[in-house]
Parts: sequence; structure tokens; C-alpha cells
Amino acid sequence: QKEVEQNSGPLSVPEGAIASLNCTYSDRGSQSFFWYRQYSGKSPELIMSIYSNGDKEDGRFTAQLNKASQYVSLLIRDSQPSDSATYLCAVNMRGGYQKVTFGTGTKLQVIP
Amino acid sequence: DGGITQSPKYLFRKEGQNVTLSCEQNLNHDAMYWYRQDPGQGLRLIYYSQIVNDFQKGDIAEGYSVSREKKESFPLTVTSAQKNPTAFYLCASQGQAFNSPLHFGNGTRLTVT
Repeated sequence: QKEVEQNSGPLSVPEGAIASLNCTYSDRGSQSFFWYRQYSGKSPELIMSIYSNGDKEDGRFTAQLNKASQYVSLLIRDSQPSDSATYLCAVNMRGGYQKVTFGTGTKLQVIP
Repeated sequence: DGGITQSPKYLFRKEGQNVTLSCEQNLNHDAMYWYRQDPGQGLRLIYYSQIVNDFQKGDIAEGYSVSREKKESFPLTVTSAQKNPTAFYLCASQGQAFNSPLHFGNGTRLTVT
């Protein structure tokens, strides 16, 4: 089992729709969770972080965390073509150091 | 502005040559990381360092070496022992708080022929 798993996609949604991206993780003791957006050929940029169970909203983005089920999700409302990118889920695993493990990413395509 | 600077942006080398990628940060972060990304793949951890003069192997350290002589700098050397070195290399730093996110540089794209 991979430590952090994501559906590679591509996930295609029409412009204006809600895009839902999901991520599961293996270490039940993980405490910090991050979503990064990566455009082709560019470095990842942080868009959301979440540490507590429940929802966290920031503009059009909502991160959801369910530690009991070991999943974290990202919702993008009113999707725009500029949201087309790969979204990386990252988990700060337990251990003697701050090891941040990434999923392989989900490619999102927003169709105009 | 604080940030992470990777240089060069593009690097071309012949097979059998060692090459060093630069990473400098002025965020006063203790932890620094090197990741490798191949086309259509996620990020794989090469090496990381929590403090000066100390570093640990990540998941794919074979064929790579690092040093951490200064807090601000964490250079990565890709040696001739690395079987498939062509990739996109990303350096990141992280603050001390347990929930701190990683901050990335702009990356170096290495091509070895």
C-alpha cells in the first residue's frame, strides 16, 4: 500500500462546476495535510493546509479532512480553465523527523 | 523577499559527469529537502536535512550526494552512479513547527545525454 494515494486522473469538469479531488493516506498518526497545485513544468505551490477534522475554506477552495477514514479531499468551486493543473496531496507523516510524503497527483482539466 | 533560489534552471551534461545543483534559502528554515520528479510522476524524496552538518537519505538516495555546511545552502550532486539522472529536481525548505508546509524553489531541469 502506498503511503499517500491519489487517483491520477485526468479528472475533467466543465467550467463553473465543482471539482472534487481525493487522497488517502496510510499512517493513522499523520497530523498535517497539504494540497499543492502544479502547472506543467513549474514547481508546486501551496494552496491549502489542514490539520483538524472537518472543513477548511479559502475562497473557492475547501479542504476536508477525516482522520478516522484517513482521507483528505479538496473541492474547487466555480472551476475555471486556469485551475487546470496537477494537484498534489502531501502528508506530514509521523516519525523522528518531519517527513512530507507526496501522492502522485491528480490531473484536473477544466473544459471551457 | 524571502524565498528559495535554485540554479541553474536548465542543465545539460554528458553521461559520466558529476553535476551539482544549487539551492539557497533566506527563509531562516532549518529543514531542507531535495525531490526528484519524472514526467507524469509525483515527487520522490532524495535527501533531507534538519540541521546544519546533518542530513538523511530519502527514498531514492542512490547516485546522489549532498552537503549542509550552512543553514542557507543545501547543494545536491548527481553522480555518474545515478543510472537515470534526467529529471526535474526540486528543492524545498520547511519551518520548525510540526505543521509547517514545504516551500519550493523553481526547480532545475537536468538533461543527461
